[in-house]
Amino acid sequence: AQSVTQPDIHITVSEGASLELRCNYSYGATPYLFWYVQSPGQGLQLLLKYFSGDTLVQGIKGFEAEFKRSQSSFNLRKPSVHWSDAAEYFCAVGARNAGNMLTFGGGTRLMVKP
Amino acid sequence: DTEVTQTPKHLVMGMTNKKSLKCEQHMGHRAMYWYKQKAKKPPELMFVYSYEKLSINESVPSRFSPECPNSSLLNLHLHALQPEDSALYLCASSQVSSGGVGTQYFGPGTRLTVL
Repeated sequence: AQSVTQPDIHITVSEGASLELRCNYSYGATPYLFWYVQSPGQGLQLLLKYFSGDTLVQGIKGFEAEFKRSQSSFNLRKPSVHWSDAAEYFCAVGARNAGNMLTFGGGTRLMVKP
Repeated sequence: DTEVTQTPKHLVMGMTNKKSLKCEQHMGHRAMYWYKQKAKKPPELMFVYSYEKLSINESVPSRFSPECPNSSLLNLHLHALQPEDSALYLCASSQVSSGGVGTQYFGPGTRLTVL
């Protein structure tokens, strides 16, 4: 079975600073990887996904993520954080032939200092 | 258009009430999902419908009863809930990907409070 770990429960960055949120997965084959963002009381919005091909994936809102098979990681990055990026971020992995089910990490809460 | 809509946005109910949550999508997706999310936790899968048939039930208590009347609609009927069922209920939809994984798109959720 697959699993996802987001090692950082909380991260605080200053507005304008760069951001990296960590995601490590466990899965025997090539995973399907996702990053979602959730503002308080809202649903999850898809930021980006990786299925195959180029390991650097561009998403919405200026986010990107890099798939590193050797490190079993799919870290999310943004070069310059805006106050509106404050939210909860979830990494998720899907597995082939698993009925379209996703396994979510525990989430990372991002706070942005002015 | 990647919109999934959910109604109502908020719901307060007593433990003896019967209520329903509604979810709708018009993306032509044939897989639809119900998740429960407690505060500061990731979503927990409850049910999956594939081609309007229940394909996954994650051992959810029978006081939660899902229904998929057509390919665009998904309901969650609630009866005799407990206060610990208070949570954000999220609906999602995706393509059915044979051998792969469909990208799930989420609705805004229904905030349920059980008194």
